[in-house]
Amino acid sequence: QTVVTQEPSLTVSPGGTVTLTCASSTGAVTSGYYPNWFQQKPGQAPRALIYSTSNKHSWTPARFSGSLLGGKAALTLSGVQPEDEAEYYCLLYYGGAYVFGTGTKVTVL
Amino acid sequence: QVTLRESGPALVKPTQTLTLTCTFSGFSLSTSGMCVSWIRQPPGKALEWLALIDWDDDKYYSTSLKTRLTISKDTSKNQVVLTMTNMDPVDTATYYCARIRQELQGDAFDIWGQGTMVTVSS
Repeated sequence: QTVVTQEPSLTVSPGGTVTLTCASSTGAVTSGYYPNWFQQKPGQAPRALIYSTSNKHSWTPARFSGSLLGGKAALTLSGVQPEDEAEYYCLLYYGGAYVFGTGTKVTVL
Repeated sequence: QVTLRESGPALVKPTQTLTLTCTFSGFSLSTSGMCVSWIRQPPGKALEWLALIDWDDDKYYSTSLKTRLTISKDTSKNQVVLTMTNMDPVDTATYYCARIRQELQGDAFDIWGQGTMVTVSS
């Protein structure tokens, strides 16, 4: 059973920078895993932020960026705003199937 | 404007079969590169990918649930249907459908429905 692991929780100050990571139990994450990132606030459906590692949707704020970092997929929030407090999920592609990460709760404090 | 809306029963009994419908607008599932996927989320837990169907009627399933899932599409009605057999209380979750655009650089899960809550209880 493939497991995709994220940090359970991270805390960041307003205006600060935080990086979330997404690791695969099968080994290093590469661009071929087509990492997607989503934001979910309580009681709401997930909202897409990033696809294929670093591509932004038209609605994705510029302060969100995606990359590969040390064998993991990464989502960096720069200049964090209070409204960025949410749960964040990554999604990886495994040749015909997808697996979501365990999720990271980001607190802005 | 792309929208998706999930519909189905709010309550099912254990061992029953669940049938969910995703009705969408703003795109066609007969267009090359378009796909629809189902995802679920138990209360307070993480998202779980379930299944995907593409414009060419290719179907893909979660490894752990593939024996219980069937995904199908009705292009003329702009609908995708997911059936899950032998429902159990652990299947209690909000079920979402989402559109995927298959692009040269990879798959983009972009637009999600609001989700429908399904409770499994006798």
